[in-house]
Amino acid sequence: EDKVVQSPLSLVVHEGDTVTLNCSYEVTNFRSLLWYKQEKKAPTFLFMLTSSGIEKKSGRLSSILDKKELFSILNITATQTGDSAIYLCAVANSNSGYALNFGKGTSLLVTP
Amino acid sequence: DVKVTQSSRYLVKRTGEKVFLECVQDMDHENMFWYRQDPGLGLRLIYFSYDVKMKEKGDIPEGYSVSREKKERFSLILESASTNQTSMYLCASLAGAYPSYEQYFGPGTRLTVT
Repeated sequence: EDKVVQSPLSLVVHEGDTVTLNCSYEVTNFRSLLWYKQEKKAPTFLFMLTSSGIEKKSGRLSSILDKKELFSILNITATQTGDSAIYLCAVANSNSGYALNFGKGTSLLVTP
Repeated sequence: DVKVTQSSRYLVKRTGEKVFLECVQDMDHENMFWYRQDPGLGLRLIYFSYDVKMKEKGDIPEGYSVSREKKERFSLILESASTNQTSMYLCASLAGAYPSYEQYFGPGTRLTVT
């Protein structure tokens, strides 16, 4: 059975801290791994990773995929209160069309 | 900008009622999805559709059905609502142009079944 496991499930940090969120997976016929940010509304897309070792970056957020060890990390540097959200990791495989298999999410709270 | 809209943000229904949740996307996307999101369980796929009148079961289809009569509209139906279907329901769509798997989400419908 395909699995996507995120850790930690929740995290509280102070503004300015750097955080690392983890996502490990066990899926057959892996295609891509995606990260989403969800505030009190629809999840919004952050990154899609398909190749190992290539960092994707957007402002203070970055992410990388390790297809040998089957995990990805999402880094947020110099955190701000606006980074408080649930961060979702999802994996696509070729067995399920374009359906995504989501992890349970990491709830991040950034305090002033 | 892709827009995915859902018919209601909040809905309260009674046990046994038939419930319709509507989702509309404006980008001519082929693939559409229904998820439910519960604390501690994440997003779980209920049903998806890759074309008009086509549907596939996801991980938790029991108690639900779907309808896709037009490309832009994907409806989730709770035939006889039960309290364990109280949840946040999220609709998503995807163009289906490989290699992109990016799904666009609607704002969600928070359904309470009493």
